[in-house]
Amino acid sequence: DQQVKQNSPSLSVQEGRISILNCDYTNSMFDYFLWYKKYPAEGPTFLISISSIKDKNEDGRFTVFLNKSAKHLSLHIVPSQPGDSAVYFCAASPNFYGGSQGNLIFGKGTKLSVKP
Amino acid sequence: DSGVTQTPKHLITATGQRVTLRCSPRSGDLSVYWYQQSLDQGLQFLIQYYNGEERAKGNILERFSAQQFPDLHSELNLSSLELGDSALYFCASSGEPTDTQYFGPGTRLTVL
Repeated sequence: DQQVKQNSPSLSVQEGRISILNCDYTNSMFDYFLWYKKYPAEGPTFLISISSIKDKNEDGRFTVFLNKSAKHLSLHIVPSQPGDSAVYFCAASPNFYGGSQGNLIFGKGTKLSVKP
Repeated sequence: DSGVTQTPKHLITATGQRVTLRCSPRSGDLSVYWYQQSLDQGLQFLIQYYNGEERAKGNILERFSAQQFPDLHSELNLSSLELGDSALYFCASSGEPTDTQYFGPGTRLTVL
């Protein structure tokens, strides 16, 4: 049973517009969430994270929103650029601040294409 | 470049064989994690080591084993290989288990 779900396998956005990538989770023990970006033939690269005690975290063009009651998080990229074209993975960690071992549970990813 | 290195980049072998994947963490990182990414799947956590000791186990098969050596590099051993073991295997490292994980470029294993 998938604990972290990214229901959109792909997303296409025009350059300069907003990209919104969504992620749902089922385990209420998750208390730390991350987004990773992955280019072909490379390993995932950390993008941004959010603790369950917050509902928003911003870093430049990237903002992550967390809705704990809905068990939903989203990544907003504004403005989108062609270089943002990659696969984006949502990940969650259970009991992160309680001494979790740090292993992450990943979604299957969403392939973002930003068209010039 | 994340600073995590993995060798080899590609590995092609036959069913029933045994292979070893190697990972060197970023300088100073004590934690090493192994993940498997099969076709159309997200990354599945396999196992974590911290300063030479096993810390956490995920969905790792009994045919698979890992270890972390005193110089902190890690090896993932896969034996009695099956077609379904074909996947990308990623290693990640972090300073402490709650620090950001940095991923290597992966090893693509093909079992024929």
